Amino acid sequence: ETGVTQSPTHLIKTRGQQVTLRCSSQSGHNTVSWYQQALGQGPQFIFQYYREEENGRGNFPPRFSGLQFPNYSSELNVNALELDDSALYLCASSDPSRDEQYFGPGTRLTVT
Amino acid sequence: ELKVEQNPLFLSMQEGKNYTIYCNYSTTSDRLYWYRQDPGKSLESLFVLLSNGAVKQEGRLMASLDTKARLSTLHITAAVHDLSATYFCAVASNFGNEKLTFGTGTRLTIIP
Repeated sequence: ETGVTQSPTHLIKTRGQQVTLRCSSQSGHNTVSWYQQALGQGPQFIFQYYREEENGRGNFPPRFSGLQFPNYSSELNVNALELDDSALYLCASSDPSRDEQYFGPGTRLTVT
Repeated sequence: ELKVEQNPLFLSMQEGKNYTIYCNYSTTSDRLYWYRQDPGKSLESLFVLLSNGAVKQEGRLMASLDTKARLSTLHITAAVHDLSATYFCAVASNFGNEKLTFGTGTRLTIIP
């Protein structure tokens, strides 16, 4: 049990729609990262937030955006969904006192 | 750009045997992680390796890090069926954020 929760667990959307995924971190974990894991591949870094500011971004287009809130929750928003966006989306929060990232259970997004 | 390679990609081994998974990475980093992932599940942290020569052991798994060679190994001793999973190594960025770059994963199947 990592103390990181994500919602929803599963989601089915249609191409062109928009989606918001949510993550809740442990208290005190002021860094949250989002990753996309396509089937059969390793997770790919989307972006990271530190104290509510974006702090690094991977090779993802601007239609992937995020927010981090003061209560240690965060969101990943994806606009204009494409079929290739179908994946497991993982958030990870970091304990500033330890070199450790704690992953949530993930949200499985299917785009049809 | 940091690249992380794992080999083998697939490993099928008999119970009781020993084997090693290799993780090579392309640029300097002082933090390397090993994760386990069961089908349809999130990532479970196994080891965090923070310095050259670091060695950590948990049960039948032992991980080591050679930062000069940019190589980490995950050694499995006397494999049991419960170790069947996909194993990922991930290397942390040295540039002010905690972006993890993951390897391709090694799908391990233990045959009774």
